[in-house]
Amino acid sequence: EVQLLESGGGLVQPGGSLRLSCAASGFTFSSYAMNWVRQAPGKGLEWVSVMSGSGSSTYYADSVKGRFTISRDNSKNTLYLQMNSLRAEDTAVYYCAKKSGYFDLWGRGTLVTVSS
Amino acid sequence: EIVLTQSPGTLSLSPGERATLSCRASQSVSSSYLAWYQQKLGQAPRLLIYGATSRATGIPDRFSGSASGTDFTLTISRLEPEDFVVYYCQQYSSSPITFGQGTKVEIK
Repeated sequence: EVQLLESGGGLVQPGGSLRLSCAASGFTFSSYAMNWVRQAPGKGLEWVSVMSGSGSSTYYADSVKGRFTISRDNSKNTLYLQMNSLRAEDTAVYYCAKKSGYFDLWGRGTLVTVSS
Repeated sequence: EIVLTQSPGTLSLSPGERATLSCRASQSVSSSYLAWYQQKLGQAPRLLIYGATSRATGIPDRFSGSASGTDFTLTISRLEPEDFVVYYCQQYSSSPITFGQGTKVEIK
């Protein structure tokens, strides 16, 4: 079955760190760029970051640049998002999404709550 | 950054009616690099339309997309009960990728 499954979310204090994972199955993971997209509670969608299939190229939204790092392990079919210096405004459901450009497959998301 | 403005914010219609959702871009979206997504409550978004007019795999033909300059439209020809949810447009013409704020289609 073609799917993405995120994990690693939880409650963290402001200034803390968290690492999200996204396990992919059912397709050739290394052939596709992968993204992180987030959605604050009751709000719209915000693209966060993208990494190319090979891992050679990465891009970030200005809101997370310098704090978040995207990475992937193609041998494990897994995408990661290392989140440092977390702020209250980073509270959101984080989705991983497949493909460069438009996103044809999404995971169910993992909730990150930044609060003291 | 390309800003996408969706209208209306909420659309109140009855099952069987036609829904017309608008997405206006603040600047040119090259090669119609615009997508539409449907999001049900508590679920991840689902791709409906890409390239402004192409339906994604498995999407019913009652969903269609069109483009005219910086104006994009999602049309649902006959609303089914499961269509009363939220819809987002997204541009992937230039970085950063941006989304519209969403249109909620509710039962009148």
